[in-house]
Amino acid sequence: AQRVTQPEKLLSVFKGAPVELKCNYSYSGSPELFWYVQYSRQRLQLLLRHISRESIKGFTADLNKGETSFHLKKPFAQEEDSAMYYCALGNRDSGTYKYIFGTGTRLKVLA
Amino acid sequence: DTAVSQTPKYLVTQMGNDKSIKCEQNLGHDTMYWYKQDSKKFLKIMFSYNNKELIINETVPNRFSPKSPDKAHLNLHINSLELGDSAVYFCASSQASGGASYEQYFGPGTRLTVT
Repeated sequence: AQRVTQPEKLLSVFKGAPVELKCNYSYSGSPELFWYVQYSRQRLQLLLRHISRESIKGFTADLNKGETSFHLKKPFAQEEDSAMYYCALGNRDSGTYKYIFGTGTRLKVLA
Repeated sequence: DTAVSQTPKYLVTQMGNDKSIKCEQNLGHDTMYWYKQDSKKFLKIMFSYNNKELIINETVPNRFSPKSPDKAHLNLHINSLELGDSAVYFCASSQASGGASYEQYFGPGTRLTVT
């Protein structure tokens, strides 16, 4: 079964501390993973995707197929990083492409 | 210029009523989606249309009926509203029917409260 697990509902860190938001997936095919972010009073938007292998706003995420993980990391958290983060798995198993979202992790960066 | 817009932003109604939520995108995308976000912030796809054709229909009660008059619009009609329908409903669109290269653009959400 396809599944995305984000074990932490809430993660609080102090400004300047490293942050890691965990995401594990269950999928038998070749996964396509994404991180979406929703800042307060803003719409959900793409943060990064694994195929791009880029750093956005200081965040990176590496796909680890052995551990079936796609954790989101940032070395030094900023207050403006406080938001809701969703990990998503994209797949075309049913013939059409769709996202399966994790349950989300709320990140709070404390001053 | 708003890319994906939804109306209304808030909707409060009583059980048993019928209501519609409208979605429009001005990005020229072929594919549109409806998602439901429940009180625990769990985000789940409900429907997807590609060029006015239904391509994803998850296990959703048939009280929910999407309608796509053209590829820029995807409306959601809900009959006989129930308390459990209370949620935030998000519309989204993407350039094609999906893929790792195709970002989904989300609307601001419609908060539906059924009393």
